[in-house]
Amino acid sequence: EDQVTQSPEALRLQEGESSSLNCSYTVSGLRGLFWYRQDPGKGPEFLFTLYSAGEEKEKERLKATLTKKESFLHITAPKPEDSATYLCAVPDKSDYKLSFGAGTTVTVRA
Amino acid sequence: EPEVTQTPSHQVTQMGQEVILRCVPISNHLYFYWYRQILGQKVEFLVSFYNNEISEKSEIFDDQFSVERPDGSNFTLKIRSTKLEDSAMYFCASSVRQGSNQPQHFGDGTRLSIL
Repeated sequence: EDQVTQSPEALRLQEGESSSLNCSYTVSGLRGLFWYRQDPGKGPEFLFTLYSAGEEKEKERLKATLTKKESFLHITAPKPEDSATYLCAVPDKSDYKLSFGAGTTVTVRA
Repeated sequence: EPEVTQTPSHQVTQMGQEVILRCVPISNHLYFYWYRQILGQKVEFLVSFYNNEISEKSEIFDDQFSVERPDGSNFTLKIRSTKLEDSAMYFCASSVRQGSNQPQHFGDGTRLSIL
């Protein structure tokens, strides 16, 4: 069964303190990877799709990268509004089901 | 920006009662999904639906669960006889088409509390 592991579980940052989140996966033939942001009491909000090793995507202070074994979400000069839980997910062979990691909860202090 | 909407936001039900959770997917999307998230746990896949048929379901999605697209806009999840362990956030999602690079867009969920 596909496994998605995220680290660290929690990350506390000062405003402006850049950091990275990790998503590692064991899948039989990676078929893409998604990053989502989840605010408390809300549904996952789509951020990025990464489809092949070496690919990078950026949105504001977030940059996602993908290798053959893992993905990183880099947060550059974060602001308090970047506080959220960041989830990664991979599709299974059927392309219907997403398997999610447990998430990294990021707290950015002003 | 179009979004997936879910109602109600919170549903409280007695154990053994039937409950129907409702979703309006994004209008041009053709694939629909239900996931759930028990408090403090991962988001888990329940079922996917396309062309008025279930395309895939998980072990969680047993005979107590059913899905339906009763009209051109709504997508529902019914739990026939609720159990305490059904308490969770239930998320509906939709995507334009199937594909490993097609993102699923999620609603804000229904919090289901079973008493």
